[in-house]
Amino acid sequence: GESVGLHLPTLSVQEGDNSIINCAYSNSASDYFIWYKQESGKGPQFIIDIRSNMDKRQGQRVTVLLNKTVKHLSLQIAATQPGDSAVYFCAENTGTASKLTFGTGTRLQVTL
Amino acid sequence: NAGVTQTPKFQVLKTGQSMTLQCAQDMNHNSMYWYRQDPGMGLRLIYYSASEGTTDKGEVPNGYNVSRLNKREFSLRLESAAPSQTSVYFCASRVTGAAGYTFGSGTRLTVV
Repeated sequence: GESVGLHLPTLSVQEGDNSIINCAYSNSASDYFIWYKQESGKGPQFIIDIRSNMDKRQGQRVTVLLNKTVKHLSLQIAATQPGDSAVYFCAENTGTASKLTFGTGTRLQVTL
Repeated sequence: NAGVTQTPKFQVLKTGQSMTLQCAQDMNHNSMYWYRQDPGMGLRLIYYSASEGTTDKGEVPNGYNVSRLNKREFSLRLESAAPSQTSVYFCASRVTGAAGYTFGSGTRLTVV
């Protein structure tokens, strides 16, 4: 696959442990935020989103936390599995037409 | 149901050559987007089309043109390719009211 993010920060987690991936966003007027997962050679895949009027949202094995005071977003993955190994991006919706602005990404490596 | 289909998957161009990247979606989505992805820089918006018949510039439009041919298709054209346009290009679409985009699998373009 392509070399996506050669200099990405990397989080190494043991299989079965919980993972926490963090993201700082820039625009206090953003009305929603999304986490994407990108596996090697593929396009980004939607994981979960959260509106700015919420501070927590849960999905299947994932939880997103939003702290608007410090403009911080996190993605928690419970019981991390080898299939979770990928690059994870946060994105914020800025302005009209739902133009997403993406962060630079974090590589999650799951060790056995 | 193919989702978002991009062609070609790989392309090598010489400096100064032109080409068009094709994107089609079969989900009846209103909005379509073109992003480029470079190592360590996340995804950056090139152009988008909020609805059929409209196109607008994103963050990095220079050197590119787009055409929203119909509701399904949104093409990206490089009139005179430059080495700085070496990247992975992703097309995405979104239905009105939804948070997340659906991405294609990307086109890896190398300009030599």
